[in-house]
This record gives sequence, structure tokens and C-alpha cells, in this order.
Amino acid sequence: DAGITQSPRHKVTETGTPVTLRCHQTENHRYMYWYRQDPGHGLRLIHYSYGVKDTDKGEVSDGYSVSRSKTEDFLLTLESATSSQTSVYFCAISGTAVQDPQYFGPGTRLLVL
Amino acid sequence: DQQVKQNSPSLSVQEGRISILNCDYTNSMFDYFLWYKKYPAEGPTFLISISSIKDKNEDGRFTVFLNKSAKHLSLHIVPSQPGDSAVYFCAATYEGGNKLTFGTGTQLKVEL
Repeated sequence: DAGITQSPRHKVTETGTPVTLRCHQTENHRYMYWYRQDPGHGLRLIHYSYGVKDTDKGEVSDGYSVSRSKTEDFLLTLESATSSQTSVYFCAISGTAVQDPQYFGPGTRLLVL
Repeated sequence: DQQVKQNSPSLSVQEGRISILNCDYTNSMFDYFLWYKKYPAEGPTFLISISSIKDKNEDGRFTVFLNKSAKHLSLHIVPSQPGDSAVYFCAATYEGGNKLTFGTGTQLKVEL
């Protein structure tokens, strides 16, 4: 298994509060991704990073920001959590070739009340 | 605008029989396709992939078929086992792109 951890694994928070999720890898992979999984929508890309301090938006980036100050860490911040952001969040990593599959972390289950 | 579609939310198959999971795509730029398997409370795991220069790729019990003219791919599992019960996601990307576009998933249940 690729060395990817996510923290926290579960979180309950209130509407309007900021939340930060952390993804940590030990594989030294260049690319890191944040997805959310919701029923009927599959996995949707929020943001991704192609290097330290290099990030770009995915298809559902509104209300989220990311930062990558080290190769191994990719942070996802919900600036002001809303109930629509209740979801399961997955981090993934991959190498640089298009044939390199993405490897996923175990997920963070977030509930916004 | 769902560029990758899995029109069957669920599929039930008997143990030992063939499971066929289908996926359609609309973006002609996609030229590399992957299947992921997901168990509850775990992250998706990579299963098998196929490049558009091929029409078939096999790995043990798993075979992926690609029909470029129909923009359709399918995953065959033979023989199906109870441990194959999971959600299967189809994903697509293209040369020069490092983002995957996922389908909505198909829940496979393999019954004894």
C-alpha cells in the first residue's frame, strides 16, 4: 500500500467554522489531490497540486482552499464550513506519467452541523 | 455535465459467474482509462487500466475492454467471488493531463 495518511479520520463541526484536513505521504510523489465522495456523484476533484506551492482548482473548488509547503503534506481548508460540505474526503497521490495510477488515502468523514 | 457515466448504480451476480460493469464517456480527448474498487470505509484502490491504443487488457480474473468508436468500456470479472463485492469506479484521463474524471460508481454484490 502507498504510504498515505489522512487526519483526522472523523470530524464533526458546526456551520461557519474553519476546518483543515491533512494529507501526508511518504512516497515522494509529485502530484497530490483532494476529492470528495457523495452519493450519486462519485468522486469529484476539489483541488490538486503538481509540486510544492503549485496548486490548481478542480471541478468543485468553491469554498475550499489548499496549501502545499512540503512535498509530503497537502492541506485542505474549508474556510467557513457549510452543511453542503458534509462528505467523505479522500486524498490521492500519483507520479508524473499519465499511466501512473492515483493511490488513495483512507478518507476523512466530515459532518457539518 | 457528466463526462464519464456508469448508468447502472448496482449489479447483483452469483458467485462463479461473470460480472460485467459498464462505463461510457463523452470526451473524445480521453485516451487512458482506469478502474478502481472501493470497499466501505476505505479509500479506492486501483484495479486495472487500459490505453486507447489497446482494446483489451487482462490481469488475472479482471479484463477491461475498450470500444473507442462507441466511447464505451467494460470491466469483466470471471469468476466472480464474494470478496469482489464493492463499489467499482471507472475513471478517464488524457495524455498531458494529470487529473482523473470519475464515474458515479456501480455497487457490485456477489451472492453465494
